[in-house]
Amino acid sequence: DTGVSQDPRHKITKRGQNVTFRCDPISEHNRLYWYRQTLGQGPEFLTYFQNEAQLEKSRLLSDRFSAERPKGSFSTLEIQRTEQGDSAMYLCASSPAGTVNTEAFFGQGTRLTVV
Amino acid sequence: AQTVTQSQPEMSVQEAETVTLSCTYDTSESDYYLFWYKQPPSRQMILVIRQEAYKQQNATENRFSVNFQKAAKSFSLKISDSQLGDAAMYFCAFQEYGNKLVFGAGTILRVKS
Repeated sequence: DTGVSQDPRHKITKRGQNVTFRCDPISEHNRLYWYRQTLGQGPEFLTYFQNEAQLEKSRLLSDRFSAERPKGSFSTLEIQRTEQGDSAMYLCASSPAGTVNTEAFFGQGTRLTVV
Repeated sequence: AQTVTQSQPEMSVQEAETVTLSCTYDTSESDYYLFWYKQPPSRQMILVIRQEAYKQQNATENRFSVNFQKAAKSFSLKISDSQLGDAAMYFCAFQEYGNKLVFGAGTILRVKS
C-alpha cells in the first residue's frame, strides 16, 4: 500500500493524558499536512511541513500541540494534557512540492476521544 | 483570509438523476486551485475533481463536472447519473498554489434507490 497511513486509527484517552499520533506520507511527497475535523465539519488546517521544516502553524495549534517531522519522512503530532475539546478526527495529508499538480492525498485519520 | 462556503448542509438525489452541489469562496488571489473532495462514511477523503483558476474551461471527470464562475467566485459540482456509491460528504476546498487547503463545511449527499 503506497498511500498515506496513520496510526492509531482510534484513540480513547482520559482528560489530562498525553497522546501521540503518527503519519507516514507517500514516500516521494515533500509536503505533509495535519488537519483536524470535528463531527459534521470540514477539516481545519493545523500545520504543515516541507521536508523536515515546519513552515506554517495555525492559531488553532495551541502550545499543548506539537508536531515534528524529524527526517522529512514520517511525522508525529503530540497533544499534551488533553481536553474534551480535543476530541476530533486528526487527518494527515501529503503532496508533492511545487506549485503545480499539488494534489493532496489523505490518510484515513486518527479519531481521538477524550473522556 | 480565504473562506469557503457550502450553503447546502444536505442534499438528496434519486439514483440515475442529476444533482448540483453549491460552493462559493472568497479570496483576493488571482491564481489558485479549487477542489471537490468526497468523504464516504468512515473512509478517507478522496479527490473528485480539480479546477485551476486560470483555466476558463470547466473541469470534467466522467460523471462529475464543475461550473466555475471566477468573477462570481462560485464553484458548483454536478453529478450526473447518480449512483448509490456517490453517497458521501462532499467538501469544496480552495488552495493557493502549493499551500494548505481551506475547506467548506461540507454537504451530505444521500442517494435514493
